[in-house]
Formats: sequence, C-alpha cells, structure tokens
Amino acid sequence: AQSVTQPDIHITVSEGASLELRCNYSYGATPYLFWYVQSPGQGLQLLLKYFSGDTLVQGIKGFEAEFKRSQSSFNLRKPSVHWSDAAEYFCAVGVKGTDKLIFGTGTRLQVFP
Amino acid sequence: DARVTQTPRHKVTEMGQEVTMRCQPILGHNTVFWYRQTMMQGLELLAYFRNRAPLDDSGMPKDRFSAEMPDATLATLKIQPSEPRDSAVYFCASGLEGGNTEAFFGQGTRLTVV
Repeated sequence: AQSVTQPDIHITVSEGASLELRCNYSYGATPYLFWYVQSPGQGLQLLLKYFSGDTLVQGIKGFEAEFKRSQSSFNLRKPSVHWSDAAEYFCAVGVKGTDKLIFGTGTRLQVFP
Repeated sequence: DARVTQTPRHKVTEMGQEVTMRCQPILGHNTVFWYRQTMMQGLELLAYFRNRAPLDDSGMPKDRFSAEMPDATLATLKIQPSEPRDSAVYFCASGLEGGNTEAFFGQGTRLTVV
C-alpha cells in the first residue's frame, strides 16, 4: 500500500539558516509527489510537485525538492529560511489512476530570529 | 481570485446534533475532496467526487457521515448524530481530474462537539 513518512515531527531553525525537510514514500511505481504548506488556521497550499523528468523541482517561496528514486525520498529544501516560513509542511503522494492524495503526518517548522 | 469556500469556519455543537458543512469548489473544477485533520490521525481522506459522482468514500464512517454534491457549485458533508470524537478540522479541496494535478484547499471548518 502507498504511504508517506515524514520522520521529523518538529524542526527548529534560525532565520537565514538552510532547511531540509525529509519525506520518504512507499509506492510501486514512479509516484506523483507533492509538498504542501499549512499556515496556522489556514488550508494547505501547494509548494511544488514532481511527476516526471528533472528530479530537481522548483517551487514557490524559494523552495525546491529533489526526487531520489534509489532512496524513495522527496526532501524539501530552502537555502535561507525566513521567519514567515514557520508553518506545517506536508509531503503527499498521488495515487495514480485516481485523484487521491496520501499525506504524511507533517513537519512543524519553527523559525527563530 | 478563485478559491474554495467553506462554511461555517467554526462550529460548536452538542453531542447528538446534526452538523452540515458546506463547500463551494473553484468554478470549473470537477473533483472535490473532503479531508479531516486531527492531531492524532493527521489528514485523512473521507470522500471524493468526480463530476459530482462519489468515487470513494471508504474513509468515511457510513453510519453517521454522508457526503453529497447537489450541484457542481456545492458539496456538503453531514454528520448525524455528531459525537465528541468527530471534533476536528474538516477541509474541502477541489481540482481537475488526473492524479498529477493540484488540489486547492479551503480554509476548513473547525468542528467542536461537546
């Protein structure tokens, strides 16, 4: 069965520091992969997505993610974090043949000045 | 600015009462999803529709939950009777069919059942 694991429940970084949020998936074929961000009291917003082709994908707000098939990973990165990036981040895999998304449990990012 | 609209944003109700949550998907989107978010379970897919037809509601407790799309501009999620364990944030999302397309989320309905 398809699943998504986000090993880090909570991450704290200083403003200006680099960031990497981990995501591992379990899927039988090349997956559709997504990263969403949720600010407090808000719905989820898409940061970026991967379907095929270049394994390094660029998203909004300066985020990028790299698909590594050998590691079943799709980690999210940002070279320099801003205080406004504090939020919860969700990795998701799309189930092919359906429109469904399976979400990970999320990583809460805290940014200190 | 197209967005998914959910009403109400907050709802407090007593156990046993009926609760109806509404969602207006983005015009032109033909898939609609209902998710439930709790601290313990994270984001769970309750049901989803394509072209107003329910495709999968396996995540929904059938005895008390029901989801419908009376027309293309309205999706409803009903709980009857409500229980304290239903307390959660319920999100509606809409998109275009195809597993590689973005789902646009509403701001959610925070339900508290006391």
